[in-house]
Amino acid sequence: DAKTTQPTSMDCAEGRAANLPCNHSTISGNEYVYWYRQIHSQGPQYIIHGLKNNETNEMASLIITEDRKSSTLILPHATLRDTAVYYCIVRVGSGNQGGKLIFGQGTELSVKP
Amino acid sequence: GAVVSQHPSRVICKSGTSVKIECRSLDFQATTMFWYRQFPKQSLMLMATSNEGSKATYEQGVEKDKFLINHASLTLSTLTVTSAHPEDSSFYICSARDNAGQAFFGQGTRLTVV
Repeated sequence: DAKTTQPTSMDCAEGRAANLPCNHSTISGNEYVYWYRQIHSQGPQYIIHGLKNNETNEMASLIITEDRKSSTLILPHATLRDTAVYYCIVRVGSGNQGGKLIFGQGTELSVKP
Repeated sequence: GAVVSQHPSRVICKSGTSVKIECRSLDFQATTMFWYRQFPKQSLMLMATSNEGSKATYEQGVEKDKFLINHASLTLSTLTVTSAHPEDSSFYICSARDNAGQAFFGQGTRLTVV
């Protein structure tokens, strides 16, 4: 699976949009981009995933560049409860026969009042 | 979303004893489950992939005889840490994958070996 690169940490003001970047320049055509987050001392929580089109759900939006070498996770209105470590992962396939989720170091997002 | 339950959430055991951690998918069947370990201030490290009805596949450097994995049903996988030592103290997290390929994580088990 392709490797991802994320900033170690980011700050965001409460109520503002949080934009978390991820580089995955070696991504293959059959690899999806997944985002998870982990709040302290809990298991990771699924946020969103995509292949090449932009995706949006109730939690966030995922913007994938046309060449698929990078993506941005957008939390439109960050709250204090969004403070967590955010992991960008690329994984082969999205079905039941897809690859394993291998976690990198992630971005520690701190939402401040 | 789907729920994955891990038990216990916290356990303290004596050095040399064995500890079993359970991972259950509560509202879906999971042919594949994963076990991770996380040390303080570090990311999750995949230990093994557990497939229902077959032997687990361990990642490089993970001792299969020390970390016994059993996936006897479509809703339950167990991880047994045998002859635990203080260096095995860690946060253990399981993940279960549904038929659509979506992975859901348990709440984790904090193991402390004294």
